[in-house]
Amino acid sequence: DAGVIQSPRHEVTEMGQEVTLRCKPISGHDYLFWYRQTMMRGLELLIYFNNNVPIDDSGMPEDRFSAKMPNASFSTLKIQPSEPRDSAVYFCASREYRDFGNTIYFGEGSWLTVV
Amino acid sequence: GENVEQHPSTLSVQEGDSAVIKCTYSDSASNYFPWYKQELGKRPQLIIDIRSNVGEKKDQRIAVTLNKTAKHFSLHITETQPEDSAVYFCAASEDYGQNFVFGPGTRLSVLP
Repeated sequence: DAGVIQSPRHEVTEMGQEVTLRCKPISGHDYLFWYRQTMMRGLELLIYFNNNVPIDDSGMPEDRFSAKMPNASFSTLKIQPSEPRDSAVYFCASREYRDFGNTIYFGEGSWLTVV
Repeated sequence: GENVEQHPSTLSVQEGDSAVIKCTYSDSASNYFPWYKQELGKRPQLIIDIRSNVGEKKDQRIAVTLNKTAKHFSLHITETQPEDSAVYFCAASEDYGQNFVFGPGTRLSVLP
């Protein structure tokens, strides 16, 4: 498997524009996570899905952020409108549920800069 | 919910010395504890993990210990090398790993 695939890898956008980040999890994995990483706040969980259903979105910072998972092989994280403070690396990760103790696998990340 | 603390936030060691990073967690229900290494500009990658039914696990120069009573676990790297320089994250997971709570990270620098 190619691993978790994210796009775009890098994006620079102007404040107020809509940003859409995309993720393809590892085939067969039934959990998908979106994390945001900044120097100040470290790795923050934004939302995670189980079998395409959002389970916990309490980490989504505000209504400008939304995430969807229309099928088992695709998820999006959307920011509308974007603000400079949204600049960060956004990681998608996935995991296959088994009985106990399964780690998650991260994508390469999407480096977002909002100017 | 779970809260994971990690110390130190930065650590510098001489090449060949050992490095120890410590984490504490708050939720006694947590039962899986992975460690990730993140090199500059790259994704976090799993380097070792431990489950609550085990007190220690070793993989070559890396070992992890777990004290369930005290709710802390540690990463030990022996004979450090410059390529060990990275940010290390601990994490704790409950409910058979439905979610992971990460520590804030430790930036390890191995000086030649």
